[in-house]
Amino acid sequence: GESVGLHLPTLSVQEGDNSIINCAYSNSASDYFIWYKQESGKGPQFIIDIRSNMDKRQGQRVTVLLNKTVKHLSLQIAATQPGDSAVYFCAEKSAGGSYIPTFGRGTSLIVHP
Amino acid sequence: DSGVTQTPKHLITATGQRVTLRCSPRSGDLSVYWYQQSLDQGLQFLIQYYNGEERAKGNILERFSAQQFPDLHSELNLSSLELGDSALYFCASSPGTGLPYEQYFGPGTRLTVT
Repeated sequence: GESVGLHLPTLSVQEGDNSIINCAYSNSASDYFIWYKQESGKGPQFIIDIRSNMDKRQGQRVTVLLNKTVKHLSLQIAATQPGDSAVYFCAEKSAGGSYIPTFGRGTSLIVHP
Repeated sequence: DSGVTQTPKHLITATGQRVTLRCSPRSGDLSVYWYQQSLDQGLQFLIQYYNGEERAKGNILERFSAQQFPDLHSELNLSSLELGDSALYFCASSPGTGLPYEQYFGPGTRLTVT
């Protein structure tokens, strides 16, 4: 079946660097995407979302880019901080389906001070 | 703090037993979702309730059931437990069922089946 997946299971960066976490999706009918952050011992936390009619959306220190041509999603974190260390999940929702997202397996971001 | 509470935080039980996990959504949220998170399966959607009624069903086993009460808290019942049911169980809530779609997750219940 169609699924959401991540290219890199672990990403290590130095504090202050920019981080890019990638996500590939296979369902061309997906019309809404979400990034979640999950810190150790906690539940996932909403970071940012983007609809399929957009290519880019910016939040506080985060930017999500959507390339529908190649079905690729990325989360960019500017000036990465140790507090950004967590597992990041992308999730997608299919157009016309229920509002239940399908989660990818996650990428672990490790920020070294 | 997301405003979603889950109890208990940890639960250890034996195979064949039955447990109940409890979730209180954020104040004002009508939708409650249950997810199972294990190392090999990631975050899997189990079931959604909206204002007391089942709205969507995911990969929920027949041994599992849930309900949402008039005060909007929800319970997930897991029966005939197997070793493979050991996982983190998350509850999430949202104001409604449509977009914008921001789910607020609770801290989870870690279930260990021995």
